[in-house]
Amino acid sequence: AQSVTQLDSQVPVFEEAPVELRCNYSSSVSVYLFWYVQYPNQGLQLLLKYLSGSTLVKGINGFEAEFNKSQTSFHLRKPSVHISDTAEYFCAVSRNSGNTPLVFGKGTRLSVIA
Amino acid sequence: GAVVSQHPSRVICKSGTSVKIECRSLDFQATTMFWYRQFPKQSLMLMATSNEGSKATYEQGVEKDKFLINHASLTLSTLTVTSAHPEDSSFYICSGWTWNTIYFGEGSWLTVV
Repeated sequence: AQSVTQLDSQVPVFEEAPVELRCNYSSSVSVYLFWYVQYPNQGLQLLLKYLSGSTLVKGINGFEAEFNKSQTSFHLRKPSVHISDTAEYFCAVSRNSGNTPLVFGKGTRLSVIA
Repeated sequence: GAVVSQHPSRVICKSGTSVKIECRSLDFQATTMFWYRQFPKQSLMLMATSNEGSKATYEQGVEKDKFLINHASLTLSTLTVTSAHPEDSSFYICSGWTWNTIYFGEGSWLTVV
């Protein structure tokens, strides 16, 4: 079975500062990795995903993440955040066979301070 | 990208009644769809796996007689919350895979009063 640990439940950061949201996973098989964002009272929006290939993945809204197999991590980064980035961020993992459910982390609340 | 449509997006029902949530894959066929539940300020938890033409598989702790899942066609899965209670108030969201990518519906906010 897979599991995900998001190490920080809340991350406050000043506007235009860089941010890193940490995600570690556990799995006995190869995985796909995802980051989703959820704005208040809204559904999920896919930020980026790692299926295979380059370990540095670029997503929407200036976010990127790096898959590190040796450290079983998939941390999300943005070099300069905006107020509009304030939201809940979820890291998720699935087996790399497709058609399997995602296992979500508990989420990280990113609060961007003006 | 592929589209998964979920309906209704928001529903309020009285305690003791039943409510049905539909999940449609608009441009792909989904032999399997997944239903998740998210309580306020919590993460998304897998409730069940919906299989076209066969019984759903429920996660531990999810009552199969309360949360009825029907996957009668390759493009439609439904979740019926029977005899709903206030503690069933939650965000319900479905998903399906195609072309090595998983797609989520918009989600349904259920409030039981």
